[in-house]
Amino acid sequence: AQTVTQSQPEMSVQEAETVTLSCTYDTSESDYYLFWYKQPPSRQMILVIRQEAYKQQNATENRFSVNFQKAAKSFSLKISDSQLGDAAMYFCAYRNTGANSKLTFGKGITLSVRP
Amino acid sequence: NAGVTQTPKFQVLKTGQSMTLQCAQDMNHNSMYWYRQDPGMGLRLIYYSASEGTTDKGEVPNGYNVSRLNKREFSLRLESAAPSQTSVYFCASKPSGSSYNEQFFGPGTRLTVL
Repeated sequence: AQTVTQSQPEMSVQEAETVTLSCTYDTSESDYYLFWYKQPPSRQMILVIRQEAYKQQNATENRFSVNFQKAAKSFSLKISDSQLGDAAMYFCAYRNTGANSKLTFGKGITLSVRP
Repeated sequence: NAGVTQTPKFQVLKTGQSMTLQCAQDMNHNSMYWYRQDPGMGLRLIYYSASEGTTDKGEVPNGYNVSRLNKREFSLRLESAAPSQTSVYFCASKPSGSSYNEQFFGPGTRLTVL
């Protein structure tokens, strides 16, 4: 079974600075997908960024980018120019391929942003 | 489009009571999911339905049943609620096709079992 590990329960960043959230995963598959979700205090789950495992190029979405290291099974999220609205819980998730594919989530990390 | 909707938003039950959490999506998605979120545990899959007429167990199915009523609706039933089922429950849906497709989540139901 696949597992997703987020070892840091909390992190803090100064507004306008850069922060990196770590995620590792374990799988025997060669083709899969990785996601980062944001959960603000409203509880709504919001997709931040996603990566296809067969693509070597790291995904970017505005201030959000990932460092995908397939051999190391690492998928970290970098947030540049941090804003107060970035304060939330962030979940790393893995999805296998196929008709019955399912998302497996890490335990999450709480990010606070200091003004 | 309303996306994924869940009712109720909050519920308090006594141990042994039963209830059904409702979920509906208006995006014509084939796959639907039920998760529970507990502090420090992330989201864990309870049941899922890859298509209308099919349901399968996820990671933590014990104590729950589901019904995929039609393509739009996927309900979660607690037959005899226990305090261990106190949690926030999320419904989600995803279009068929690539596993790369985004999965959309409802706003969640906060359930307390006394």
